[in-house]
Amino acid sequence: AQSVTQPDIHITVSEGASLELRCNYSYGATPYLFWYVQSPGQGLQLLLKYFSGDTLVQGIKGFEAEFKRSQSSFNLRKPSVHWSDAAEYFCAVGVSGGGNKLTFGTGTQLKVEL
Amino acid sequence: DGGITQSPKYLFRKEGQNVTLSCEQNLNHDAMYWYRQDPGQGLRLIYYSQIVNDFQKGDIAEGYSVSREKKESFPLTVTSAQKNPTAFYLCASTPQGERNTIYFGEGSWLTVV
Repeated sequence: AQSVTQPDIHITVSEGASLELRCNYSYGATPYLFWYVQSPGQGLQLLLKYFSGDTLVQGIKGFEAEFKRSQSSFNLRKPSVHWSDAAEYFCAVGVSGGGNKLTFGTGTQLKVEL
Repeated sequence: DGGITQSPKYLFRKEGQNVTLSCEQNLNHDAMYWYRQDPGQGLRLIYYSQIVNDFQKGDIAEGYSVSREKKESFPLTVTSAQKNPTAFYLCASTPQGERNTIYFGEGSWLTVV
């Protein structure tokens, strides 16, 4: 079965600084990979997704992620963080033939210092 | 506007009572899901349904029940058999042809006292 690990529970960055959130997955073949963002008390919003092809994926709100097969990683990046980016971020993995189900990581809480 | 609507947003119930959470979508999505979210544990799949009148158990189905009588509706009942029902519940759906891409509702907070 597939699994997802987000090693960082909390991350604090200064506004304007760059951001990288880590995500590692475990799966034998090429997975489908996703990043979602959640504001407090709200549902999850899809930031970006990777299925195949170009390993650098662009998403909404200026986010991007890079799929690295050799490292089993799908890290989320943003060049310059805004205070409004403070939220919880979830990485998720799906598999072909998996019935459209996703397995989620435990999340990384991002705090932005002004 | 199209979307996934969960109701109520906040619900309080006494221990031992069954409670039903509503989920309606007007996006014409085929698959629908229920996830449970607890602090520090991410999201865990309770039940999912790919088509009307059919649904499957997820990873933590014990103490929950669902129905899928209409394409747009997927209510979740939290029964008295659920040992620790206090949580944030998220309904989601996937359009046909959009592999594994799940779109979420705004969630429902259930507190059992």
